[in-house]
Amino acid sequence: GAVVSQHPSRVICKSGTSVKIECRSLDFQATTMFWYRQFPKKSLMLMATSNEGSKATYEQGVEKDKFLINHASLTLSTLTVTSAHPEDSSFYICSASGMRDTEAFFGQGTRLTVV
Amino acid sequence: RKEVEQDPGPFNVPEGATVAFNCTYSNSASQSFFWYRQDCRKEPKLLMSVYSSGNEDGRFTAQLNRASQYISLLIRDSKLSDSATYLCVANTNAGKSTFGDGTTLTVKP
Repeated sequence: GAVVSQHPSRVICKSGTSVKIECRSLDFQATTMFWYRQFPKKSLMLMATSNEGSKATYEQGVEKDKFLINHASLTLSTLTVTSAHPEDSSFYICSASGMRDTEAFFGQGTRLTVV
Repeated sequence: RKEVEQDPGPFNVPEGATVAFNCTYSNSASQSFFWYRQDCRKEPKLLMSVYSSGNEDGRFTAQLNRASQYISLLIRDSKLSDSATYLCVANTNAGKSTFGDGTTLTVKP
């Protein structure tokens, strides 16, 4: 399958700081990327859908000003958690799909801990 | 009602047992279906795609019934290494994935 690289895999930050997470499709052009969040013992919940060159579409209840998503190229999307708080601590994971794909390919995930 | 529903388990089975997981989805626009495996604190990994004709990969068999919007996964001859959470996933035609909450399997010696 296709390769999606997510970085960093693990980050610890202080409350009030911002954290940027990168998601790269390494061997295909990802027209659409998705960002998910997973709380302990829960399933992955879609946060937002980003299409290259346009604004992200956020799911209900997800603050767009807090979770900034940029999809500037066909191989890179970034999620920035702004003014992070301990309740933002979670596992964040991206996925990417190409134009004809119904299968999405997942990054390795980022475990964010806000202290 | 959740879009993708699974029996959360946990399923605790002895080695060598056969275990079946069920999943239902409510979005009739769903185009493709998958089973993923997720180990503790790791990203989900694709186990297999699910087709109406049924598909088999070694000890794993997946089945899709579009009429009843039902998906199944059968694991035969369970191994200790099969212990994980199994996620049922329904995708739209743009690759948007909707996950079930997962079914936890523990295989014991």
